[in-house]
Amino acid sequence: ILNVEQSPQSLHVQEGDSTNFTCSFPSSNFYALHWYRWETAKSPEALFVMTLNGDEKKKGRISATLNTKEGYSYLYIKGSQPEDSATYLCASPGGADGLTFGKGTHLIIQP
Amino acid sequence: GVSQNPRHKITKRGQNVTFRCDPISEHNRLYWYRQTLGQGPEFLIYFQGTGAADDSGLPNDRFFAVRPEGSVSTLKIQRTERGDSAVYLCASSPQRNNEQFFGPGTRLTVL
Repeated sequence: ILNVEQSPQSLHVQEGDSTNFTCSFPSSNFYALHWYRWETAKSPEALFVMTLNGDEKKKGRISATLNTKEGYSYLYIKGSQPEDSATYLCASPGGADGLTFGKGTHLIIQP
Repeated sequence: GVSQNPRHKITKRGQNVTFRCDPISEHNRLYWYRQTLGQGPEFLIYFQGTGAADDSGLPNDRFFAVRPEGSVSTLKIQRTERGDSAVYLCASSPQRNNEQFFGPGTRLTVL
């Protein structure tokens, strides 16, 4: 059974501050690492799909890094804004096609 | 995008329910997940075309999903139990390791 873990479980950040959180996954049989943002009452939105060790991807103020050898990925948000408030999920397919998700990091940006 | 109906369903224990997913039309792969409180989405079943390629996540034989024409999918739960209360998410994808595009989910409440 693939075990994907995220920390912290929740996070309060002041508007304008930068923040980051972690996703850890088994380093053996790695296929890909997905990051999603899920706002309340909306559809989960894909942020990144990462496949290569050392990969670094960026979308606006959000970026992510990947270390497949040690089994972790970091998600960074620079200059947090209230609209960044959401649950951030990471997931990995392992050897299967369905994704195994972590429990998510619930991010609240305080004005 | 991916659409799901209904958005909310309240039912009494023992009743049957059916949920519908309309994926992005050119996507061959369709996934069902469910998310319970405090957990990340949990994989249920995956279709490639019309066939269920992996149904290992279905919790028991009360859960059944079909995709008869390779597009729309329905998920059925028979004899619902209180523990079935969750958000049921559908996603579609063009290829493995591509991002999955999620619908807004159907929130099921079993009384």
